[in-house]
Amino acid sequence: GESVGLHLPTLSVQEGDNSIINCAYSNSASDYFIWYKQESGKGPQFIIDIRSNMDKRQGQRVTVLLNKTVKHLSLQIAATQPGDSAVYFCAENINFGNEKLTFGTGTRLTIIP
Amino acid sequence: EPEVTQTPSHQVTQMGQEVILRCVPISNHLYFYWYRQILGQKVEFLVSFYNNEISEKSEIFDDQFSVERPDGSNFTLKIRSTKLEDSAMYFCATRAKNYGYTFGSGTRLTVV
Repeated sequence: GESVGLHLPTLSVQEGDNSIINCAYSNSASDYFIWYKQESGKGPQFIIDIRSNMDKRQGQRVTVLLNKTVKHLSLQIAATQPGDSAVYFCAENINFGNEKLTFGTGTRLTIIP
Repeated sequence: EPEVTQTPSHQVTQMGQEVILRCVPISNHLYFYWYRQILGQKVEFLVSFYNNEISEKSEIFDDQFSVERPDGSNFTLKIRSTKLEDSAMYFCATRAKNYGYTFGSGTRLTVV
């Protein structure tokens, strides 16, 4: 079946360094992708999104890259801070405005002081 | 910043009992969703709700589950006869047309 998955379940990064979290998706019909951050005991928090007609989008300290050829999505966090420690999920959606999000399994990012 | 509010934050219930989880959407949002997350697993879609009816539901959302918006503000998820495997975090999410989702902080449901 269709799925969204992550390559690495855990990632540790030194504070101040850049981090890259990867995600593979398998549904070629997906045209909208979102990265969420989830801190312990909280709901998913929107970080950044990208539509399939783009291959890169930048926010504040975060960049999302989309490679439709290999169905790969990545989240780059620059100059990581202790507050970046969390679980990061990618999610995909078909026909933005359509109903459900399909989430990946998550990567736990730990920032080492 | 507008928030999606969920109550209670934690609910403990005995197996076989009914539970109602409540969500107050952001005021101008029209699309409502319930997702759940079993401990240590990914977030899973349960149901979407628009214009006072279910628009899509997953295989998880069986006859034991129901949703409604009884008073035009609260959006509720009812589980009629809880099972041990219903223990999870339940997240409400809402959105306006052509805008992204906002998730609530969740209700932790523990079935004993």
